[in-house]
Amino acid sequence: RKEVEQDPGPFNVPEGATVAFNCTYSNSASQSFFWYRQDCRKEPKLLMSVYSSGNEDGRFTAQLNRASQYISLLIRDSKLSDSATYLCVVNGPGGFKTIFGAGTRLFVKA
Amino acid sequence: NAGVMQNPRHLVRRRGQEARLRCSPMKGHSHVYWYRQLPEEGLKFMVYLQKENIIDESGMPKERFSAEFPKEGPSILRIQQVVRGDSAAYFCASSRSAGALNTEAFFGQGTRLTVV
Repeated sequence: RKEVEQDPGPFNVPEGATVAFNCTYSNSASQSFFWYRQDCRKEPKLLMSVYSSGNEDGRFTAQLNRASQYISLLIRDSKLSDSATYLCVVNGPGGFKTIFGAGTRLFVKA
Repeated sequence: NAGVMQNPRHLVRRRGQEARLRCSPMKGHSHVYWYRQLPEEGLKFMVYLQKENIIDESGMPKERFSAEFPKEGPSILRIQQVVRGDSAAYFCASSRSAGALNTEAFFGQGTRLTVV
């Protein structure tokens, strides 16, 4: 089983749609969680951290379910500029080793 | 505070040559990660280093690839006798000391290696 697994997609959605990405991780002792965004031929950049209580940043909502070892990202009212690859990221116990999922590609169409 | 610096941004090598990729982490960061990304694919973990130590190299090919992070200077990813299949984008990321919660990783802009 991969340490971090994501649906590779791609997700093709119209502007204004709501889209959800899921991610599972294998190490129950993992400590911190993030979503990164990667645009074509660019480096990944932090989108948001994921907290146990869930957190929201504008149109983006992240959720963490430690019991199920599951992380989600919800994007509401999708924009063309949201088209990118979204990477689920997990830090191991003690903060050691950052592990990236393979990413989910999103295409938002006019 | 400069971000993670990688150089060169683009590197062209002939088959059989050596490629050296450099990564200077952010100031105050002692953890360095190297990832490889093939065209249209996700990031693949290669190696995780702290100063002067390789912590995890489980993603690194056993032959031709090596990495170091010396006490002084940048981290180096070295590929000997390159082959066409080594053509990819190589990203370096750095993070703060171990034990810090919510320790996000910051990426360099990557080195795009082309083997001709």
